[in-house]
Amino acid sequence: RKEVEQDPGPFNVPEGATVAFNCTYSNSASQSFFWYRQDCRKEPKLLMSVYSSGNEDGRFTAQLNRASQYISLLIRDSKLSDSATYLCVLNSGNTPLVFGKGTRLSVIA
Amino acid sequence: EPEVTQTPSHQVTQMGQEVILRCVPISNHLYFYWYRQILGQKVEFLVSFYNNEISEKSEIFDDQFSVERPDGSNFTLKIRSTKLEDSAMYFCASEGTENTEAFFGQGTRLTVV
Repeated sequence: RKEVEQDPGPFNVPEGATVAFNCTYSNSASQSFFWYRQDCRKEPKLLMSVYSSGNEDGRFTAQLNRASQYISLLIRDSKLSDSATYLCVLNSGNTPLVFGKGTRLSVIA
Repeated sequence: EPEVTQTPSHQVTQMGQEVILRCVPISNHLYFYWYRQILGQKVEFLVSFYNNEISEKSEIFDDQFSVERPDGSNFTLKIRSTKLEDSAMYFCASEGTENTEAFFGQGTRLTVV
């Protein structure tokens, strides 16, 4: 099983749609979880951290399920500007960040 | 807003040549990283640096690679003898404290011909 696994997509959704991405991880010792956003040929930027209790930031909701070893990202009311690749990222204590390959989202007018 | 800056933005080099990629991390940050991303592939960890020494490195970071923080501000990645497969986007990142948000620079696109 890959360390961090994501559906590469692309997810093509109309503006205003709700879209959800899942990510599974293999290392049960993983402690910190993040969603990063990466625009084409740009650097990754932190979208949000993911907490066990789940967290919401505007249109974005992240959930963590430790028992099943997956995290999710829900985007409501998609905007054209949400088009990007969404990277599932985690680390285990003092280890560097481990990245998934990313899920590509295209929001269409 | 403080940011990580990298230079150059794009470097083309001949196979076998040495390249130095430069990064200026955020000034009060303590942890520094180099990652690379081959086109179409995932972001891969190369090396982490703390307290003026390498704290961890990946299998990719072989003897051809080295890092330095020569003057307390710049953080450099040197590739001694570049290979075609070194062509990638190289990202520098820094963290204020461990396991907090990592800020990435805009990257250096290295093309080895």
